[in-house]
Amino acid sequence: QVRLVQSGAEAKKPGSSVKVSCKASGGTFTTYGIHWVRQAPGQGLEWMGMIIPIFGTANYGQKFQGRVTISADESTTTAYMEVSSLRSEDTAVYYCGRDRGVIEGYYHYEMDVWGQGTTVTVSS
Amino acid sequence: EIVMTQSPATLSVSPGERATLSCRASQSVTSNLAWYQQRPGQAPRLLIHGASTRATGIPARFSGSGSGTEFTLTISSLQSEDFAVYYCQQYNNWPPITFGQGTRLEIK
Repeated sequence: QVRLVQSGAEAKKPGSSVKVSCKASGGTFTTYGIHWVRQAPGQGLEWMGMIIPIFGTANYGQKFQGRVTISADESTTTAYMEVSSLRSEDTAVYYCGRDRGVIEGYYHYEMDVWGQGTTVTVSS
Repeated sequence: EIVMTQSPATLSVSPGERATLSCRASQSVTSNLAWYQQRPGQAPRLLIHGASTRATGIPARFSGSGSGTEFTLTISSLQSEDFAVYYCQQYNNWPPITFGQGTRLEIK
């Protein structure tokens, strides 16, 4: 049974950076997409981007392009999401989620395994 | 970017009754649509993928239908644990993958 375990809560100052980790255990890591989704307090879900570790290239939502970096380390089965130039609006719970991978030759981007979430608070 | 619009924002239903939640896409997403449930303080949980296929371990009282731009999630007989927020998500045209704003299902 695949499990995703995220790093702990972070408190950051505006203008700084934060890097959140997401360690996978109990299943295949390299051929499934790892997505990052955030949820601001009292708000809905917002997709940030994803990476398929075996390919190594990340895709981002336009809103996050240039300020977010998603990476993966196959040797430790860990994905990372870094946000730079933090502002108060980045205060949110950040989730990683693993998609359903390749089924009958097509990638399926529904997320069926989720991490527990990491709270990032940005405040001066 | 495909915009997903859910209705209603809040739905009040009594336990044991049926709940019907709607999701509309700004352009066709074929059947590349998923539904998630999120309880307070928890991560989302995948309920439905491919618009109508229940995910592993999801009770039969949850069903999804629709294709193109109009989708429905139906919960046939509400249990106490079903009162939560529900999101639809499209993954047909991406990036970005997009979610609806959510429907809060509350006890009447």
